[in-house]
Amino acid sequence: AQSVTQPDIHITVSEGASLELRCNYSYGATPYLFWYVQSPGQGLQLLLKYFSGDTLVQGIKGFEAEFKRSQSSFNLRKPSVHWSDAAEYFCAVGAYLNYGGSQGNLIFGKGTKLSVKP
Amino acid sequence: IAGITQAPTSQILAAGRRMTLRCTQDMRHNAMYWYRQDLGLGLRLIHYSNTAGTTGKGEVPDGYSVSRANTDDFPLTLASAVPSQTSVYFCASSDLLSDTQYFGPGTRLTVL
Repeated sequence: AQSVTQPDIHITVSEGASLELRCNYSYGATPYLFWYVQSPGQGLQLLLKYFSGDTLVQGIKGFEAEFKRSQSSFNLRKPSVHWSDAAEYFCAVGAYLNYGGSQGNLIFGKGTKLSVKP
Repeated sequence: IAGITQAPTSQILAAGRRMTLRCTQDMRHNAMYWYRQDLGLGLRLIHYSNTAGTTGKGEVPDGYSVSRANTDDFPLTLASAVPSQTSVYFCASSDLLSDTQYFGPGTRLTVL
C-alpha cells in the first residue's frame, strides 16, 4: 500500500534562509506526488504537483520540488523563506492502488510545521 | 466562483446526536472526498465519490456515511456522534483528468 513519510514534524528557519522539507513515499508504480500548504485556520492549497516528465517541478510562491525515484523522495525547496511562508506543509501521493484503482484519492503525510524567525 | 463551500464553519454537538456536514462545489468536478484532520495524524480519507451516484470507503469510514445524489453536493453524516469524532473535517473535489484536489475551508466539529 502507498504511504508518505514526512520525517520532520517542526522546522524553524530564519527569514531569508533556504528551506528544504523532506518527503519520502512508498508506491508500487510511478507515483503522482503533491505538496499542499495549510495556513492556520485555513484549508489546503496546492503548491505543486508531479505527474511525469521533468523531475524538477516549479510551483507557486517560489517553491520547487524534485522527484528522485532512486531515493523515493519528493523534497520541497525554497531558496529564500519569507515570514508569510510560516504554515504547515503536507506531502501527498496518489492512492489509486489503495482504493481499487479509483482515481484521485490521496494519501497524505502527517505534515511539517514551518516556523520563520525574523 | 466560490470553489468549495462547507457548512457549518464550526459546531459543538452532544454525543449521540445526528449531524450532517454539508459540502458544495461549483467546479463541476467528478470526484469528491471527505477527510478528517487530527493533530499529529495529518489528513485521513473518510469517504470518496468518483461520480454522482457512487461512493466508496476511505481509510477511516466507521461512524460516517455519505451520499452523492448530484455532481455538486457531497454531505457527510454522523448518525450518532461520539467524542472521538471531534476533528476538523475537510471536503475536497477533483477533476479526474487532472487528479488535483481542491479543498474547502473546513468544519471544526466538537463532540461532547
